Amino acid sequence: SYELTQSPSVSVSPGQTARITCSGNALPTHYAYWYQQRPGQAPVLVIFKDTERPSGIPERFSGSSSGTTVTLTISRVQAEDEADYYCQSADSSGTYPVVFGGGTKLTVL
Amino acid sequence: QVQLQESGPGLVKPSETLSLTCTVSGGSVSSGSYYWSWIRQAPGKGLEWIGYIYYSGSTKYSPSLKSRVTISADTSKNQFSLKLSSVTAADTAVYYCARAKLTPPLVGGLAHYYFDYWGRGTLVTVSS
Repeated sequence: SYELTQSPSVSVSPGQTARITCSGNALPTHYAYWYQQRPGQAPVLVIFKDTERPSGIPERFSGSSSGTTVTLTISRVQAEDEADYYCQSADSSGTYPVVFGGGTKLTVL
Repeated sequence: QVQLQESGPGLVKPSETLSLTCTVSGGSVSSGSYYWSWIRQAPGKGLEWIGYIYYSGSTKYSPSLKSRVTISADTSKNQFSLKLSSVTAADTAVYYCARAKLTPPLVGGLAHYYFDYWGRGTLVTVSS
């Protein structure tokens, strides 16, 4: 099966920049998507097609892509950004049209 | 604003069939633009895609669950449903329904999907 690899945790102080990465062999040919999941809540789409931001998502959230790695960047981190973040994409065979990364826990110190 | 709401039993016995329904408002399961999906999350774990149904009735399931999953739709009620058979404790999870959009393929890639609206989720526990 295809895997998207995320680091388990990232910690930053308020006002700093958090960077969360996701790696996968098919990412050069498939867009990545990012979801924020606060405790006890459903996931919310924060980035689609590697770099685009849905309406209502703060400009502090941005995405980038380079080769087999995509990055979610959160600038000027606030306490409310503390959450689990999941990347999502697809494999190159079509067997797994939806694959989630294992998730990264963002802690705001 | 599209809203999705899961409903169904919160407790299922081992070896029985888990059945959940997702009611859609503010949108139509008959729309050709979207794929209506189920995703689950075991306690303390990550997200796992289960499958989707398209307005035409076509379905696609995760290979790891394919032998036990059926997703269907009732367009008259604007609902779609999940059935997961022969459940075990490993199927205990929060089950989410979601609307998926299709992304056209990049050069060298395949079309794929992402989720723009989610239900709040419903916890299903498998226990005797």
